[in-house]
Amino acid sequence: DGGITQSPKYLFRKEGQNVTLSCEQNLNHDAMYWYRQDPGQGLRLIYYSQIVNDFQKGDIAEGYSVSREKKESFPLTVTSAQKNPTAFYLCASSTPGLATGELFFGEGSRLTVL
Amino acid sequence: ILNVEQSPQSLHVQEGDSTNFTCSFPSSNFYALHWYRWETAKSPEALFVMTLNGDEKKKGRISATLNTKEGYSYLYIKGSQPEDSATYLCAFDAGYSTLTFGKGTMLLVSP
Repeated sequence: DGGITQSPKYLFRKEGQNVTLSCEQNLNHDAMYWYRQDPGQGLRLIYYSQIVNDFQKGDIAEGYSVSREKKESFPLTVTSAQKNPTAFYLCASSTPGLATGELFFGEGSRLTVL
Repeated sequence: ILNVEQSPQSLHVQEGDSTNFTCSFPSSNFYALHWYRWETAKSPEALFVMTLNGDEKKKGRISATLNTKEGYSYLYIKGSQPEDSATYLCAFDAGYSTLTFGKGTMLLVSP
């Protein structure tokens, strides 16, 4: 089945540790996105990539890093510099020309910092 | 940062009731307006992508209208069913290759 796979679903991290969330898609989409959801807030964009080997910061990129070495993969690293990392993280992809396309989402990863 | 507002924040209706939600967005730099449905423990799924002022789209019992001049969109659900229970998100596209999401409207439909 075509879709987006995020892993792990749940992740616990100690303060000061970096952690990487995986996002893989087999939809042949060029663009991929990472969003963060906190209680009472809308989805906020962390990073996005429109093409392999290129990515841009979203609204809340501080404390995060990404890579886009393959079209199918867009991993997100939550670094120790991220002050409030406990959140729900959603990965999405789309075809180019977002204005007429739609986002396809994974099921999300919930990160808890202990 | 663009401001996208959704109301109400949450809604509880009985099975068979019809309901509607509002999404307001900037009336300038409009490119498209997206609606997504997000059921608990699942991925958000696109309902509609709307681009033209006055557009009306329908999918089963769910329909949406768009007014780009005044910056709002309505989502209607006719004869709500328990399976309609979800959070409904709208997202504004200003043509910058990203979407700005509202906080969502959480709908609960009781049998």
